[in-house]
Amino acid sequence: DARVTQTPRHKVTEMGQEVTMRCQPILGHNTVFWYRQTMMQGLELLAYFRNRAPLDDSGMPKDRFSAEMPDATLATLKIQPSEPRDSAVYFCASGHTRTGDDEQFFGPGTRLTVL
Amino acid sequence: GDSVTQMEGPVTLSEEAFLTINCTYTATGYPSLFWYVQYPGEGLQLLLKATKADDKGSNKGFEATYRKETTSFHLEKGSVQVSDSAVYFCALGEYGNKLVFGAGTILRVKS
Repeated sequence: DARVTQTPRHKVTEMGQEVTMRCQPILGHNTVFWYRQTMMQGLELLAYFRNRAPLDDSGMPKDRFSAEMPDATLATLKIQPSEPRDSAVYFCASGHTRTGDDEQFFGPGTRLTVL
Repeated sequence: GDSVTQMEGPVTLSEEAFLTINCTYTATGYPSLFWYVQYPGEGLQLLLKATKADDKGSNKGFEATYRKETTSFHLEKGSVQVSDSAVYFCALGEYGNKLVFGAGTILRVKS
């Protein structure tokens, strides 16, 4: 049963610390998305990749957030330095353009709390 | 740009009641349409989808029909259960797997 995995599932850190979240997309998928979900803003698209190349990161605060895909099986989202307003659930999703219908498969999320 | 509007919640129903969650969209071209469901503490799961006009997506008793003339994709279920309590997101697909999501509708089903 192929699924997207994310680590860690929960992270509590202090303001100013670096946070790294990891995502393993479904094997063979060529698009990867990072979302942030909060009560106030709902679901926001932060960045996405196709064939490991970043296509759009306009939703991400550039000064502190960075997203990369070191290889096809790993996507990372880093926050440095973290701030309390970054507290949210971060979701990774993957898909494949060959299906033609844009379906995305979501991971279970990383719940980040910045104190 | 493309957008999705869905009815505000929370929607509170008694068990076995009929459910409708409205969703309308604005898009250039002919997008695929989706309903995702998010149970407490979990990620979003695809509930159903439709890829062209007049298609009906269905799963677990839920249905939605792609209506191009009214740009709508309303979610319906004939008899809801307590286990259907969740947040439901309507979404449309843009080129290259990008999805545009609605704000989500909280559904609460009471026994």
